[in-house]
Amino acid sequence: QKEVEQNSGPLSVPEGAIASLNCTYSDRGSQSFFWYRQYSGKSPELIMSIYSNGDKEDGRFTAQLNKASQYVSLLIRDSQPSDSATYLCVSRGSQGNLIFGKGTKLSVKP
Amino acid sequence: EAQVTQNPRYLITVTGKKLTVTCSQNMNHEYMSWYRQDPGLGLRQIYYSMNVEVTDKGDVPEGYKVSRKEKRNFPLILESPSPNQTSLYFCASSFRTSDEQFFGPGTRLTVL
Repeated sequence: QKEVEQNSGPLSVPEGAIASLNCTYSDRGSQSFFWYRQYSGKSPELIMSIYSNGDKEDGRFTAQLNKASQYVSLLIRDSQPSDSATYLCVSRGSQGNLIFGKGTKLSVKP
Repeated sequence: EAQVTQNPRYLITVTGKKLTVTCSQNMNHEYMSWYRQDPGLGLRQIYYSMNVEVTDKGDVPEGYKVSRKEKRNFPLILESPSPNQTSLYFCASSFRTSDEQFFGPGTRLTVL
């Protein structure tokens, strides 16, 4: 069974700090990776996608991918209370299917 | 506005009473999918469709049916709902299988 593993948290950071969210994946054939943010009771919304090794930055968000280590991370700089949500790490498996992690709950304290 | 819509948003029903949850997208996406989300289990795929008249099982298809007669619509059918199908359901779509998915607002279903 192909899996995406995330620490369920909660991860608590003070306002203005850097939040670091991590996940590992088991399908070595995965080529595409996504980070979704989900507020309680709401639908997931895409924050970042990353396809190649290295860093990809978009505003306060940086996604990092290391295919050799099968590791994906999301950094949130200058964290805000509005960033408090569950973050889902998702890989596109070698069969084309999406494999969802169970999510990391982030809490940003004012 | 580009969106995925689901109806109803909330539904309380009883065991055995057939129901349909509709899903529609206005983005001309080829790929559509249904997920259920349960505490501690994350999002699990029920069924997906890569194009009109093409559907396939996901990870948890038992007790569900789908159809894809038109590109924009992908209804989820529960022929005989049971309490273990109480969950939060999401429909999602994308241009292709390899693209990021856009999610509908969710349908919270309770089966008594």
